[in-house]
Amino acid sequence: GEDVEQSLFLSVREGDSSVINCTYTDSSSTYLYWYKQEPGAGLQLLTYIFSNMDMKQDQRLTVLLNKKDKHLSLRIADTQTGDSAIYFCAESASQYSGGGADGLTFGKGTHLIIQP
Amino acid sequence: DADVTQTPRNRITKTGKRIMLECSQTKGHDRMYWYRQDPGLGLQLIYYSFDVKDINKGEISDGYSVSRQAQAKFSLSLESAIPNQTALYFCATSGGLGADTQYFGPGTRLTVL
Repeated sequence: GEDVEQSLFLSVREGDSSVINCTYTDSSSTYLYWYKQEPGAGLQLLTYIFSNMDMKQDQRLTVLLNKKDKHLSLRIADTQTGDSAIYFCAESASQYSGGGADGLTFGKGTHLIIQP
Repeated sequence: DADVTQTPRNRITKTGKRIMLECSQTKGHDRMYWYRQDPGLGLQLIYYSFDVKDINKGEISDGYSVSRQAQAKFSLSLESAIPNQTALYFCATSGGLGADTQYFGPGTRLTVL
C-alpha cells in the first residue's frame, strides 16, 4: 500500500534554514502537501505541489519534488520561533487535489525544534 | 468564523459509552472526512463521504460509524467506546476541481477511561 515516511525530529537554530524531508511510495501520486500543526491546534495547510512540478516557492517556503526518487522537501528560510510545530507530508493519488477515493496518506510528522 | 468546526473540542468518557463527534462546514464542499491522530502515528482515515448518499470506509473503520446528515454535517460515532480509541479526531472537507485541498477542523480530543 501507500506509505509516506518522514524523520520524527529536526532541530535548527533560529535564523537558519530548515529542510524537512519526506519520501513516498505511490508512483501515481498527483498532489503532495505540507501541513503544519501547532501545539493544541488542528492541521493548517502550508503549501502543495502538483506532481508535474519540480519546485514551488511561496515567501519563506520552498517545496522541491524529485518525482524519480519520490522525494519531497520543505525548506523554511530564516526559521523563527513561530515555526516550531509538527510538519506533516501528505500525498494524494486523486485527480482532485482534495483527496481521492481514500483521502490523503500522511506521514507521521516531523517535530521542528527551534534553538535560540 | 471557522470554516470547519468540530464539537465537542474535548471529551472524557468511560468504556462502553456511546459517543458522537460532530463536524460542520460552511465551505460548501461535497467531500468530508474523519481522521484519527495518535502520537507518533500521523493521521489515519476512518471514514469519508463524497456526498450525502455516499459513505465509504477508510483504513481503520472498525468500531466507528458515521452519518452524513446534510452536505454541511458529518458526524462520527463510537457505539461502545474502548480505551484504545483515545485519540485526537479531525474532520476535514474538500471540494471543487483543480487547485483545491483538504481543510481541517480544530480537532476533538477524546479520552476513554
